Amino acid sequence: EPEVTQTPSHQVTQMGQEVILRCVPISNHLYFYWYRQILGQKVEFLVSFYNNEISEKSEIFDDQFSVERPDGSNFTLKIRSTKLEDSAMYFCASKGQAEETQYFGPGTRLLVL
Amino acid sequence: GESVGLHLPTLSVQEGDNSIINCAYSNSASDYFIWYKQESGKGPQFIIDIRSNMDKRQGQRVTVLLNKTVKHLSLQIAATQPGDSAVYFCAESPFSGGYNKLIFGAGTRLAVHP
Repeated sequence: EPEVTQTPSHQVTQMGQEVILRCVPISNHLYFYWYRQILGQKVEFLVSFYNNEISEKSEIFDDQFSVERPDGSNFTLKIRSTKLEDSAMYFCASKGQAEETQYFGPGTRLLVL
Repeated sequence: GESVGLHLPTLSVQEGDNSIINCAYSNSASDYFIWYKQESGKGPQFIIDIRSNMDKRQGQRVTVLLNKTVKHLSLQIAATQPGDSAVYFCAESPFSGGYNKLIFGAGTRLAVHP
């Protein structure tokens, strides 16, 4: 069964450093998403991406965040200068053209020290 | 019920009993709803979904009920098993031309006891 994969599974970084979180969506999916979940809290929408551009973003997704689809398979989330409050699980999700269901990856746990 | 932070509401059931997990959603314009199961350290796993033009949908051992009048969603799990123990999130999606961002509820922890 096809699934969304994410790397790394864990990332520890120093405050102010740049991190890139990587995702491989399900092949033939066209809609891509990033969500985050602070420990013990609910999952929060960050950004949606379609046709090589951002289609919607939340207020969390400020200028420190960017997304890219550098090739036909990867989808990345970059945080330019990490803050302590960026510590969270980051989930990638993808969706096919003719369906509603978003399928989530296993997440990357980011810890900013 | 719903809550935020570390104090998730917990539903404790005996193995073999039926479970009902409730969720209140916020946006009258939402036209798609979905239940996810999240086990510790893993990503949300799709369980079942429903569109706003339906009030009930059944899957394997699971049923979702939608009451648009009171903006309420429920997930029923029949013959609950220990493997069903997890946190369950409902999510709503306001129509947005196909991009479908999901707005998640706070979650309910289901604990199944043998």
